[in-house]
Amino acid sequence: EVQLVESGGGLVQPGGSLRLSCVASGFTFSNYEMNWVRQAPGKGLEWLSYISSTFNTKFYADSVEGRFTIFRDNTKNSLYLQMNSLRAEDTAVYFCARDHQNTVSADYWGQGTLVTVS
Amino acid sequence: QSALTQPASVSGSPGQSITISCTGTSGDIGAYNYVSWYQQHPGKAPKLLICAVSDRPSGVSNRFSGSKSGNTASLTISGLQAEDEATYYCSSHTHTNTRYVFGTGTQVTVL
Repeated sequence: EVQLVESGGGLVQPGGSLRLSCVASGFTFSNYEMNWVRQAPGKGLEWLSYISSTFNTKFYADSVEGRFTIFRDNTKNSLYLQMNSLRAEDTAVYFCARDHQNTVSADYWGQGTLVTVS
Repeated sequence: QSALTQPASVSGSPGQSITISCTGTSGDIGAYNYVSWYQQHPGKAPKLLICAVSDRPSGVSNRFSGSKSGNTASLTISGLQAEDEATYYCSSHTHTNTRYVFGTGTQVTVL
């Protein structure tokens, strides 16, 4: 069974940093592209960042470019999001999501981890 | 990258069919056959319903179907059921370095 489990969320002050983790199981993690998506309270989904299976390609939304860094460790089946210079508007539930191969869609999602910047 | 435009809400009676629209531009929906649809119940993670405009992943009910015309994509839910009450999001690949752009979301209410 495919599982994605996020952790690392919590309360942080504006300007602070936080690192989110997502541990994958039930599939060959190194074969899949991965993403981070967030959802502010009562709001819609916002795609944040993408990383290719081989690390070579990374994309970021304009809203987090230069502040957030996506990376992965295929030996640990883990995806990470390093978040710096956090702002109140970064308050959201953060999901990791697996790319559905060759369709530019996300077929498995974690349960999410809440980040509160206040 | 601006969000794709969806109606805020759509409703229908059990057994009816409803259609949710998702309007983008020639740089996203109009340019790529990479439109997908997600269902999200309150407090839960999104669930992929449709990928590549009209493909259903394994396990997704055939009551859900997708299509696209020009810059607008659509999700049709046939035989509406109480469990379909949720928020639905479309997404599309874009011509920018953005992997996905999501729609604004549509709350479906089963009357």
